[in-house]
Amino acid sequence: QTVVTQEPSFSVSPGGTVTLTCGLSSGSVSATYYPSWYQQTPGQAPRTLIYSTNTRSSGVPDRFSGSILGNKAALTITGAQADDESDYYCVLYMGSGISVFGGGTKLTVL
Amino acid sequence: EVQLLESGGGLEQPGGSLRLSCAASGFTFSSYAMSWVRQAPGKGLEWVSTISGSSGGTFYADSVKGRFTISRDNSKNTVHLQMNSLRAEDTAVYYCAKMGYGSGWFREGYDYWGQGTLVTVSS
Repeated sequence: QTVVTQEPSFSVSPGGTVTLTCGLSSGSVSATYYPSWYQQTPGQAPRTLIYSTNTRSSGVPDRFSGSILGNKAALTITGAQADDESDYYCVLYMGSGISVFGGGTKLTVL
Repeated sequence: EVQLLESGGGLEQPGGSLRLSCAASGFTFSSYAMSWVRQAPGKGLEWVSTISGSSGGTFYADSVKGRFTISRDNSKNTVHLQMNSLRAEDTAVYYCAKMGYGSGWFREGYDYWGQGTLVTVSS
């Protein structure tokens, strides 16, 4: 069973830059996994940030960017703001119609 | 404006059944894949099932395969999730999510989400 890995938690200072990653328990993430990223605050539905590795969803500020770094997908937030404090989830497409979510990263801005 | 409105959640006993529905508007429904994603209380997101728009192919997570059935009614712009043999571990908020267009639906992730409907499985 393939597991998608994310850092359980991360903290960033206001105005700072943070990179969250999304990996595989076995193997490397590449663009063919079409990684996407979602932001969720408690009690709310997820919000789409990035799809297909690095394409920003409509209305998402360019402070959010996606990439492949080494063997992982990455979400970079520059100029972190207080309302970026959220849970962040990545999803990888495994083929044959199967998608797998990572466990999520709780981002604290302080 | 794309809108997704889930319904059908509620309290059900273990072994029982529920049928969730998601009414979609604001886009050409029949051309897009649709998915169900769930979130157990205090836990992360989990993909449950997807139905493609082009061929109507269906896909399931191992945790629900054989118990849940996804379907769509393109004449009513609605996607359903029939949930049978419910277990306590199926307790979650179930989100309906729109995916991509045509045969390459998986490339665009989930671009719109509903507000979710709560399913509680308990005796």
